[in-house]
Amino acid sequence: SAVISQKPSRDICQRGTSLTIQCQVDSQVTMMFWYRQQPGQSLTLIATANQGSEATYESGFVIDKFPISRPNLTFSTLTVSNMSPEDSSIYLCSVSRDWSGEQYFGPGTRLTVT
Amino acid sequence: DAKTTQPNSMESNEEEPVHLPCNHSTISGTDYIHWYRQLPSQGPEYVIHGLTSNVNNRMASLAIAEDRKSSTLILHRATLRDAAVYYCILLSGSARQLTFGSGTQLTVLP
Repeated sequence: SAVISQKPSRDICQRGTSLTIQCQVDSQVTMMFWYRQQPGQSLTLIATANQGSEATYESGFVIDKFPISRPNLTFSTLTVSNMSPEDSSIYLCSVSRDWSGEQYFGPGTRLTVT
Repeated sequence: DAKTTQPNSMESNEEEPVHLPCNHSTISGTDYIHWYRQLPSQGPEYVIHGLTSNVNNRMASLAIAEDRKSSTLILHRATLRDAAVYYCILLSGSARQLTFGSGTQLTVLP
């Protein structure tokens, strides 16, 4: 297993601004993922964070809105850009040894956009 | 995309077994079946996963139908701490697809 921390744990932001969420893992991992969980809903995969290259985005998510960095095997950031109230969600990162293996999730970042 | 279907909610009595079903009729040969659970205000927690054969670990058992179009997560003795939303998801290593279902809210009654 892996221990994952996220910063901030929660934030309230004004529309039009941007927020960067950090994900730190206590050991080197191959795969890192970013998810969004809207209130009362299931999880939706935003993208796979690739070390040293551009992230791989799922349908409906674009780099301009959700830029992702992954400078090394233990750290990644997700930025939510030009926020609107519709971006109010919990954002979670997860890690895995490989694509089909078990994933370990961080505690999430609760974002409210006013 | 391969999708999963789960009941919205289930109830169980404490210390009794719980069988949580999941249908995935469009599963492909390379899709792994994963189960996670999420307690309120926490990130999901890995429970178990499998490909074709039944799997057991310290938390639960996973029974996979012979045609792989459905699976069942078995909690052998439910405790109050098992009350959570349980998600059945398919991970396609070849297609690089991952789809979370809507989840089952499990209530455990004392």
